Amino acid sequence: DAGVIQSPRHEVTEMGQEVTLRCKPISGHDYLFWYRQTMMRGLELLIYFNNNVPIDDSGMPEDRFSAKMPNASFSTLKIQPSEPRDSAVYFCASSPPSGGVSYNEQFFGPGTRLTVL
Amino acid sequence: DQQVKQNSPSLSVQEGRISILNCDYTNSMFDYFLWYKKYPAEGPTFLISISSIKDKNEDGRFTVFLNKSAKHLSLHIVPSQPGDSAVYFCAARVSGGYQKVTFGTGTKLQVIP
Repeated sequence: DAGVIQSPRHEVTEMGQEVTLRCKPISGHDYLFWYRQTMMRGLELLIYFNNNVPIDDSGMPEDRFSAKMPNASFSTLKIQPSEPRDSAVYFCASSPPSGGVSYNEQFFGPGTRLTVL
Repeated sequence: DQQVKQNSPSLSVQEGRISILNCDYTNSMFDYFLWYKKYPAEGPTFLISISSIKDKNEDGRFTVFLNKSAKHLSLHIVPSQPGDSAVYFCAARVSGGYQKVTFGTGTKLQVIP
């Protein structure tokens, strides 16, 4: 298995532009997570989906952020308009069906490094 | 409000010695704790976990200790190897929180050969 795939790996954009980050989870996984990593706050959970349905979006910083999961193999995180303070590394992760297990390991993608000038 | 805190941003240890990474939490509803390891330009990978009903879990060179009364957990690596140099994230899950976990800010470990 190729693991979680994220694109692009690096994105440099100017303030005010729309940014779209993409994620392909591991086949068969039904949980998908979007995280943001910064020095000050570490790894923050932005939103997570189960069976393509958003379960908890309480970590989404503001209305400029939106996430979708149109099918089991694809998700996007969009920032519109982008601001310099959005500069961070964004990770996507997926995990398999819980099947009664209390917690399943999350498998992370390599991340997208976003720089907003 | 940082519910999971890693107060040491970095740690340097000589190869062969013990590395101790610390983590404190504030939410008494956390019932499951994890450590993830992250190399540069890669995503974090799961390392070891512990349930709140235990106070110790061991996996090879890695041992996690949980002190519920102090709301503190630690990761011990013995002996430390240069390949252990990475950022280590502590994470915790609220009881009934299914797959949602809260991560700390991370501690960068450098193992010096």
